[in-house]
Amino acid sequence: DAEITQSPRHKITETGRQVTLACHQTWNHNNMFWYRQDLGHGLRLIHYSYGVQDTNKGEVSDGYSVSRSNTEDLPLTLESAASSQTSVYFCASSESILVTSYNEQFFGPGTRLTVL
Amino acid sequence: LAKTTQPISMDSYEGQEVNITCSHNNIATNDYITWYQQFPSQGPRFIIQGYKTKVTNEVASLFIPADRKSSTLSLPRVSLSDTAVYYCLVGDMDTGRRALTFGSGTRLQVQP
Repeated sequence: DAEITQSPRHKITETGRQVTLACHQTWNHNNMFWYRQDLGHGLRLIHYSYGVQDTNKGEVSDGYSVSRSNTEDLPLTLESAASSQTSVYFCASSESILVTSYNEQFFGPGTRLTVL
Repeated sequence: LAKTTQPISMDSYEGQEVNITCSHNNIATNDYITWYQQFPSQGPRFIIQGYKTKVTNEVASLFIPADRKSSTLSLPRVSLSDTAVYYCLVGDMDTGRRALTFGSGTRLQVQP
């Protein structure tokens, strides 16, 4: 079955280190998204991609970057981790759709990142 | 994207029907209304989506009045496993692509 996976599921790092979170989907979806969720809050969009070589900034993109070299993967990089980036990170994907159909997003299990 | 307002939390008992109302006064003509469910330590999961009137699937019903300024998610006969956070989202589908804007959601607690 098609799925979306994230790795690692848990990560502890130190302030100033570069960290990369992986996201891999096997639906062949064009659209991929990264969100962060802080304790007790909803999800906030970090970056998103509508296809290979396409990336866009979301609501809270400062300190994060993404690259899309193939359809299946959208890695999220924290250039220099900060304690304020301690959060749960969710990756999601959706297919490019016709106007008449709906745009369900499929979410991964999340990565819990702690920056000390 | 239109802003949504939902109750922060709701309590219910097993077997009862739960209705969660979402306000979206600034909804645009092309906007659809979508609800997601999130269990602890999991990513959100799509529940239902609609544009107007009533939509029903095997999980829930979605009621949308004619003015579309609000919507109500109805969960029939809830069980303990329905304890989760429920998010109401409103967004434009015309482009065929959409990043979602999640609010704080409604935390539903179902008790025995």
